[in-house]
Amino acid sequence: GNSVTQMEGPVTLSEEAFLTINCTYTATGYPSLFWYVQYPGEGLQLLLKATKADDKGSNKGFEATYRKETTSFHLEKGSVQVSDSAVYFCALTPNGGSQGNLIFGKGTKLSVKP
Amino acid sequence: GAVVSQHPSRVICKSGTSVKIECRSLDFQATTMFWYRQFPKKSLMLMATSNEGSKATYEQGVEKDKFLINHASLTLSTLTVTSAHPEDSSFYICSASRGLSYNEQFFGPGTRLTVL
Repeated sequence: GNSVTQMEGPVTLSEEAFLTINCTYTATGYPSLFWYVQYPGEGLQLLLKATKADDKGSNKGFEATYRKETTSFHLEKGSVQVSDSAVYFCALTPNGGSQGNLIFGKGTKLSVKP
Repeated sequence: GAVVSQHPSRVICKSGTSVKIECRSLDFQATTMFWYRQFPKKSLMLMATSNEGSKATYEQGVEKDKFLINHASLTLSTLTVTSAHPEDSSFYICSASRGLSYNEQFFGPGTRLTVL
């Protein structure tokens, strides 16, 4: 079946530290991969996405590369800010993204301290 | 743009009562809306998909008579939890997309339901 596994949180970092949140997936076919972010009190927002192997999604200094050989889509940022504190969800849609088939990981809470 | 609201943000009800949760797309027309449920420390689980003017499509294991979904207009979908019980306590999240083919889903902030 299709599933997403991401690292357990919470993750606590100091400002300007390097961030990695691991995400691995299991999927049949050719999934599209996503990272969503949920700031306190707000809905999930799409942060970045990649639709095929070796694609790199990037936004707001965050990056993730679609690695088919390791079935991974790890989220990275070189220098985090306090404003990056949020819950991050890795997700996939099987076979290129039929609507409504978003499959989420459990979420990783990130806290950045000044 | 692409803002989705939910109301109420938090509701507490007695066991056996019904609760209605509204999901609105504020600045776009949502052809399709989705309802998710999130348990503590668990993933968001898709409950159902609804297209405006059509019956909702429920995921396997979701009781359609328990969770009534209505998508009467292009900007409003409602989820009614009928005869709620404590095990229905959860965080319910809706999302909306613009088109019939895959488009980005825009998420509401969620509704925390507590059934006493």
